[in-house]
Amino acid sequence: RKEVEQDPGPFNVPEGATVAFNCTYSNSASQSFFWYRQDCRKEPKLLMSVYSSGNEDGRFTAQLNRASQYISLLIRDSKLSDSATYLCVVNWGAQKLVFGQGTRLTINP
Amino acid sequence: EAGVTQFPSHSVIEKGQTVTLRCDPISGHDNLYWYRRVMGKEIKFLLHFVKESKQDESGMPNNRFLAERTGGTYSTLKVQPAELEDSGVYFCASSRGGTGGGNGYTFGSGTRLTVV
Repeated sequence: RKEVEQDPGPFNVPEGATVAFNCTYSNSASQSFFWYRQDCRKEPKLLMSVYSSGNEDGRFTAQLNRASQYISLLIRDSKLSDSATYLCVVNWGAQKLVFGQGTRLTINP
Repeated sequence: EAGVTQFPSHSVIEKGQTVTLRCDPISGHDNLYWYRRVMGKEIKFLLHFVKESKQDESGMPNNRFLAERTGGTYSTLKVQPAELEDSGVYFCASSRGGTGGGNGYTFGSGTRLTVV
């Protein structure tokens, strides 16, 4: 079983649509959870941290279910600029990050 | 604040040669990390420095890889001799001392290594 598992997609959705990504992780001791965004041939950049209470940043909402070891990201009113690969990332031990393979999203005009 | 800088951005070498990658972290960041992504796979942890000390090198694939951070500033990652399966993108990241749980990371733009 992979340490962090994501549906690789690709997801192709029209502009303005709502899209949701899911991710599961295997380490029940993990304490920190993140969604990163990676554009083609660029470095990963933090999109948002994920908290147990759920958190929202504009059009983006992240949820964490510790019991099920499951993380989600919801993007509302998607924009062309949201096209990217979204990486589910979990901390493993003190400082190490474990990445999912990423979900590729393309927003179509 | 300058970001994490990596050099070179691209490197093409022949199998059996040596390559050295360099990373300059954000000034004042005690934590420095190396990660890599090989084709079709997820980004994987290689190692973690706290200042000049190796805190965790559990992800280093084999003894052909040597990482150093003399003086606790920039770091180098040397691959000697390079093999075809070493091809991929090598990312460096840094974070402030005292940050835990993977928070506060900033990634560099990576070095794309191709071994032919």
